[in-house]
Amino acid sequence: QVQLVESGGGVVQPGRSLRLSCAASGFTFTNYPVHWVRQSPGKGLEWLALTSYDGSDKYYSDSVKGRFTVSRDNSKNTLYLQMNILGDEDTAVYYCARGPSVKGHWYFENWGQGTLVTVSS
Amino acid sequence: EIVLTQSPGTLSLSPGERVTLSCGASQRVTSNYLAWYQQRLGQAPRLLIYGASSRATGIPDRFSGSGSGTDFTLTISRLEPEDFAVYYCQQYGSSPITFGQGTRLEIK
Repeated sequence: QVQLVESGGGVVQPGRSLRLSCAASGFTFTNYPVHWVRQSPGKGLEWLALTSYDGSDKYYSDSVKGRFTVSRDNSKNTLYLQMNILGDEDTAVYYCARGPSVKGHWYFENWGQGTLVTVSS
Repeated sequence: EIVLTQSPGTLSLSPGERVTLSCGASQRVTSNYLAWYQQRLGQAPRLLIYGASSRATGIPDRFSGSGSGTDFTLTISRLEPEDFAVYYCQQYGSSPITFGQGTRLEIK
């Protein structure tokens, strides 16, 4: 069965960086786009970033563009999110989510269990 | 950016009842690219409906989606105990992808 397992969350000071990982299994990773979505009490669910199946195309929300970088290592079936210059507003549960194989359909078929990032001094 | 407004914010119902949740968009949703998710307490969201009316794999047929343009609905024909959760709509027809704020379904 499809499994997505996030890791790398924790407490980080404002202005610092953090890298999240998402290990995928149970499907052919190279066939699917994958996204990062976060959820905070204040802002609800918020889409952050997408990488295409081969990593050649990447898209970001305006709120993280220039600070966050999405990447994938298809040899390791792993998705990453490099987060820089973190602020209080980045405190949230971060999910990786798999999109459908149909190009241009940006909904989320499968989700990981999430990893909590807390930005605090 | 398309703003999705879900109503009502909270619904109190009993198992066995029928319920319709609403999702209104501030602009037309291109190609009716509208999805619905269920989120149980402490869990990740789960895809229920995509393309406004197509059920995701493994979703019971008591869940149905309808609508077009700016007005969409999710109907649960007969509530089961496990259906009491928060429901979100999401549009993916225009960038950026946006979500509604959610409707909480609670047991009466």
